[in-house]
Amino acid sequence: AQSVAQPEDQVNVAEGNPLTVKCTYSVSGNPYLFWYVQYPNRGLQFLLKYITGDNLVKGSYGFEAEFNKSQTSFHLKKPSALVSDSALYFCAVRDDNYGQNFVFGPGTRLSVLP
Amino acid sequence: EPEVTQTPSHQVTQMGQEVILRCVPISNHLYFYWYRQILGQKVEFLVSFYNNEISEKSEIFDDQFSVERPDGSNFTLKIRSTKLEDSAMYFCASIEDPWSSYEQYFGPGTRLTVT
Repeated sequence: AQSVAQPEDQVNVAEGNPLTVKCTYSVSGNPYLFWYVQYPNRGLQFLLKYITGDNLVKGSYGFEAEFNKSQTSFHLKKPSALVSDSALYFCAVRDDNYGQNFVFGPGTRLSVLP
Repeated sequence: EPEVTQTPSHQVTQMGQEVILRCVPISNHLYFYWYRQILGQKVEFLVSFYNNEISEKSEIFDDQFSVERPDGSNFTLKIRSTKLEDSAMYFCASIEDPWSSYEQYFGPGTRLTVT
């Protein structure tokens, strides 16, 4: 069965600095990987996905993520953080051996300090 | 831009009562999901629904839960006899076609409070 880990509950970064939110996964088949962001009292908002092709994928709001098959990781990155990026970030995986269902990581709270 | 909508935004109910949470997925989407999230924590899968039947369900989705697509637009989650531990945010999500498009679109959620 698929699983997702986000090893950091909280990430703090100064505005203007690069940010990284980590995600590792475990699947038996090929992974479909996703990042979602959740602002307070809101639903989850899709940021980006990796299905196949280039390992570096670009998404909304200047975010990008790199798929690393050997390390089974899909870390979310942004070159220059904004205070408005402060939110809860979820990594999710779908294992193509296990149908259409998704498993979400526990979430990482990102705080960007002015 | 089309979006998933959910009603009500907040539901307060007494333990043992039945609740129905409603979702309207994006109109051309085919695959539907319910998730719950307790106090801003992990997003937990409840059930997926395709072609008018349950596709998969989690251990959380016991006999107290049911889902239905009563017409061409609504997708409902019913909890027959609510418990205190059912208090959570419930999110509906949909996918256009999971075999060619992959990202889920989430609704804003219904906050369920069981007292």
